[in-house]
Amino acid sequence: AQSVTQPDIHITVSEGASLELRCNYSYGATPYLFWYVQSPGQGLQLLLKYFSGDTLVQGIKGFEAEFKRSQSSFNLRKPSVHWSDAAEYFCAVVGNQGGKLIFGQGTELSVKP
Amino acid sequence: GAGVSQTPSNKVTEKGKYVELRCDPISGHTALYWYRQSLGQGPEFLIYFQGTGAADDSGLPNDRFFAVRPEGSVSTLKIQRTERGDSAVYLCASSLIGTGGAGTQYFGPGTRLLVL
Repeated sequence: AQSVTQPDIHITVSEGASLELRCNYSYGATPYLFWYVQSPGQGLQLLLKYFSGDTLVQGIKGFEAEFKRSQSSFNLRKPSVHWSDAAEYFCAVVGNQGGKLIFGQGTELSVKP
Repeated sequence: GAGVSQTPSNKVTEKGKYVELRCDPISGHTALYWYRQSLGQGPEFLIYFQGTGAADDSGLPNDRFFAVRPEGSVSTLKIQRTERGDSAVYLCASSLIGTGGAGTQYFGPGTRLLVL
């Protein structure tokens, strides 16, 4: 069965520092992968997605992610974090049937001034 | 254009009552999904519609949960005999393409359900 693991429940970084959020997936074929962000009381906003092609994908708000098949990973990165990036981040993979998303448990990001 | 909308934004009910949660997808999106998000967890899939039909309802936890999409647009999630464990945020998403998973899902703000 497909699954997504986000090993870090909570991460704190200083404003201006770089960020990497980890995501590992379990899937038999080439996966469709997504990163979503959820601010308090808000819905999920798509940051970026990987379907095929270039393994380094660029998203909104300066985020990027790299698909590594050999490591079954799709880590999210940002070179310089802003205070407004504080939120919950979810990695997701499309399941086999009809496109339902399977989400990880999320990583909560806090940003120190 | 308008995004996915959900009503109500908050719903408080008593154990044993019936509730309906509504989702208005993005116009033209044929695929519609319902998810449930408990506190501190990622969203969990409930049901997926392609047009008017439920293409995958494998995530519905039991027969107290039911969803419809009679005209292929608006969907209603119905919960009978609510239990305290049903308390969660119910999220709706829509996408232009459902089958095969190539469509990007756009989420609504959710309905926060509290069962007392």
